Amino acid sequence: GESVGLHLPTLSVQEGDNSIINCAYSNSASDYFIWYKQESGKGPQFIIDIRSNMDKRQGQRVTVLLNKTVKHLSLQIAATQPGDSAVYFCAENGGDAGNMLTFGGGTRLMVKP
Amino acid sequence: EPEVTQTPSHQVTQMGQEVILRCVPISNHLYFYWYRQILGQKVEFLVSFYNNEISEKSEIFDDQFSVERPDGSNFTLKIRSTKLEDSAMYFCASRSDRVDTEAFFGQGTRLTVV
Repeated sequence: GESVGLHLPTLSVQEGDNSIINCAYSNSASDYFIWYKQESGKGPQFIIDIRSNMDKRQGQRVTVLLNKTVKHLSLQIAATQPGDSAVYFCAENGGDAGNMLTFGGGTRLMVKP
Repeated sequence: EPEVTQTPSHQVTQMGQEVILRCVPISNHLYFYWYRQILGQKVEFLVSFYNNEISEKSEIFDDQFSVERPDGSNFTLKIRSTKLEDSAMYFCASRSDRVDTEAFFGQGTRLTVV
């Protein structure tokens, strides 16, 4: 079946370094992608999104890259800070009725001081 | 900043009992969702609701689940006869009807079935 998945379950980085979190998706009909951050005991929090007609989008310290050829999505966090420690989920919208989001399995980012 | 609010934050219930989880979506949003997250696992879609009816539901959303929008502000998830495996975080989310916009999530209700 269609799925959204993540390559690495845990990523440990040094404070100040850049982080890259990857996501693979298999639904070629997906046309909208979102990265969410989830801190312990909290709900998913929107970070950045990208539409399928784009291959890159930048926010504050974050960049999302989309490679539709290989169905790959990545989140880059510049100058990672301890407050960035969380689980990161990619989610995709395949244009289903109700605009349901399908979430990947999540990557835990751990920032070492 | 507008937010999705959920109550209660934690609910403990006996197996077989009915529970109702409550959500107040963002006021001008038109799409409403319930998601579930079992501890340590990914966020799973349960149901979406639009124009006063279910628009999509997953295999998890079986006959023991129901949703309702009893008034203009609340959106509820009812689990009729809870099972141990229903223990999870339940997240409500809402979304506007603009194309390609993110869903806003509440802080979740932790349901513990004992």
